[in-house]
Amino acid sequence: EPEVTQTPSHQVTQMGQEVILRCVPISNHLYFYWYRQILGQKVEFLVSFYNNEISEKSEIFDDQFSVERPDGSNFTLKIRSTKLEDSAMYFCASSRNTQGEAFFGQGTRLTVV
Amino acid sequence: AQSVTQPDIHITVSEGASLELRCNYSYGATPYLFWYVQSPGQGLQLLLKYFSGDTLVQGIKGFEAEFKRSQSSFNLRKPSVHWSDAAEYFCAVGAKAAGNKLTFGGGTRVLVKP
Repeated sequence: EPEVTQTPSHQVTQMGQEVILRCVPISNHLYFYWYRQILGQKVEFLVSFYNNEISEKSEIFDDQFSVERPDGSNFTLKIRSTKLEDSAMYFCASSRNTQGEAFFGQGTRLTVV
Repeated sequence: AQSVTQPDIHITVSEGASLELRCNYSYGATPYLFWYVQSPGQGLQLLLKYFSGDTLVQGIKGFEAEFKRSQSSFNLRKPSVHWSDAAEYFCAVGAKAAGNKLTFGGGTRVLVKP
């Protein structure tokens, strides 16, 4: 069964450093998403991506964040200068269309120290 | 704006007993509704979804949910819980107009007693 894969599963980084979280969405999916879940809080939408551009982003997704689909398979989330409050589980998701359910990856736990 | 409320933060249920998890949503039009389950250390797995049609939807692992427009609810049920159902359950609402962005509830953690 096809699945969304995320790497790494856990990343520890120092405050101020740049991190790139990687995702391989399901191959025939066209819509891609990043969500995050701060420990003990709700899963929050960050950004959606379609046709090589951002289709929607939340207030959380400020200038420190960027997304990219560098090739036909990967979808990345970059945080330029990490802050302590960026520590969270980051989930990548993909869907075939806007009426399809989103399939989520296993998540990357980011710890900023 | 979309919002989802899951009133119960924790629920403890005995193995073999029935389970019902509550979900209330707020959205101006007909929403797309989802239930996801997250086992410890795992990602989010889709249990079931409602887009339109029959208001009682069946999902995986013996779960079902009923969409009640008049109550703005989408409660999840299982007639007989297994120990492996211990997990956190998230209700989510999406909308085509929002590019399928999902808004999640706060989650309900289910503990299963032997």
